[in-house]
Amino acid sequence: EAQVTQNPRYLITVTGKKLTVTCSQNMNHEYMSWYRQDPGLGLRQIYYSMNVEVTDKGDVPEGYKVSRKEKRNFPLILESPSPNQTSLYFCASTASNYGTDTQYFGPGTRLTVL
Amino acid sequence: GQQLNQSPQSMFIQEGEDVSMNCTSSSIFNTWLWYKQDPGEGPVLLIALYKAGELTSNGRLTAQFGITRKDSFLNISASIPSDVGIYFCAGLRTTDSWGKLQFGAGTQVVVTP
Repeated sequence: EAQVTQNPRYLITVTGKKLTVTCSQNMNHEYMSWYRQDPGLGLRQIYYSMNVEVTDKGDVPEGYKVSRKEKRNFPLILESPSPNQTSLYFCASTASNYGTDTQYFGPGTRLTVL
Repeated sequence: GQQLNQSPQSMFIQEGEDVSMNCTSSSIFNTWLWYKQDPGEGPVLLIALYKAGELTSNGRLTAQFGITRKDSFLNISASIPSDVGIYFCAGLRTTDSWGKLQFGAGTQVVVTP
C-alpha cells in the first residue's frame, strides 16, 4: 500500500530538548515536504526536498532543520524546540515537479512544547 | 506569508444541501488543488485543476479554475454526513516549483442530519 508514515504521532516535550520527527514514504517519490498546520492559518510549508541531498526552505523554516540522506526518509529536526512550535506537523511526498502527480500526506504528528 | 484567501472559514449545513467555497489570490496560479482533511488525518487530494476555465468533477464534487487564474471554486452537491471535514485549496504560482505549494486557511464544513 502506498503511504507516508510519520513517527511519533503525538509528542509532548519541554523547551530546548532536541527532537526528531521521522517521515518515510514507500513510493520512490522524489519530492518530500514538511508542513505545519495551525488554526486559521492552514498548512504552511517548512522545508521541502527535491531529491536526495537537495533541500530548500519553505515559508516558515526558522527553528527547523531537515536532511535527505535517502530517498525514502525526510526527518524534521527541532534542535531547541520552543512553545511557538507547538503545532500539527505533516509530511508529504509527490513523484515529480510537474504538478500532475498527487501529493500524499502522512497522518500527522501533534507536537506540544511546554 | 499566506498567498491564498479561502472563504468561508466555516459552514454549518443540513444534510442534502449544496456547499460552495472559494479561494482567491492576488497572484496568478497555474495549478489549483482542492484537499479534504478528515479529523485526525492528513489532507487527501480531491480535485486538481491545470487550465484556466477548467471545470472538473469528482462524484458530487465540482471544482473550477477561474479564468483570471487568480481564483478557484469548489462545490459539493447534496451533502451527506461524511462530507464533514476541513477543505483546503492549494495552488502553485507560475514561478514556483511543485515544492512551493501554497495553501488556503481551510473551510470547516459541518453537516447536520
